[in-house]
Amino acid sequence: AQTVTQSQPEMSVQEAETVTLSCTYDTSESDYYLFWYKQPPSRQMILVIRQEAYKQQNATENRFSVNFQKAAKSFSLKISDSQLGDAAMYFCAFQGAQKLVFGQGTRLTINP
Amino acid sequence: GEEVAQTPKHLVRGEGQKAKLYCAPIKGHSYVFWYQQVLKNEFKFLISFQNENVFDETGMPKERFSAKCLPNSPCSLEIQATKLEDSAVYFCASSPRGVLTHGYTFGSGTRLTVV
Repeated sequence: AQTVTQSQPEMSVQEAETVTLSCTYDTSESDYYLFWYKQPPSRQMILVIRQEAYKQQNATENRFSVNFQKAAKSFSLKISDSQLGDAAMYFCAFQGAQKLVFGQGTRLTINP
Repeated sequence: GEEVAQTPKHLVRGEGQKAKLYCAPIKGHSYVFWYQQVLKNEFKFLISFQNENVFDETGMPKERFSAKCLPNSPCSLEIQATKLEDSAVYFCASSPRGVLTHGYTFGSGTRLTVV
């Protein structure tokens, strides 16, 4: 079974600084997707960024980028120029042949 | 529509009562997924459907939980004889092409409180 581990229950960063959230996963599948979801206090799940496992190039969406290390099964999220609106729970997720599996989440606080 | 619609937003049930949650997937999306998010934020997969057929039900507590996706009706998740530990936010998600895809679209969830 696939597992996803987020080792940082909480992180904080100063506004306008950069922060990196860690995620590791375990799988024997070769074809899969990885995602970062943002969950603000409203509880809505918002897709931040996705990465296809077969692509070597790291995905980037504006201020959000990932560092995908397939051999190490690592998928970290970097948020540049942090903004107050980035404060939320962030979930790393793995999607293989069966279902989406989530990590435990990291609560990100932005300090003004 | 272009959103996954979950109703109701909030549901309060006394222990032992029945709870029924509804999910209307995005039109044209043939896969539906149910997840339970307990108060400590952990997501637990419950069940998935491909159209009206169960695709994966490995997460369902079969004794009290049941789910359906019937043609031309919202999908439903029903909990018989609710327990305190069923208190959680229940998310529905849909996807157009299958399990291995670009990502699901989530509804805004139903918060179930069992008292």
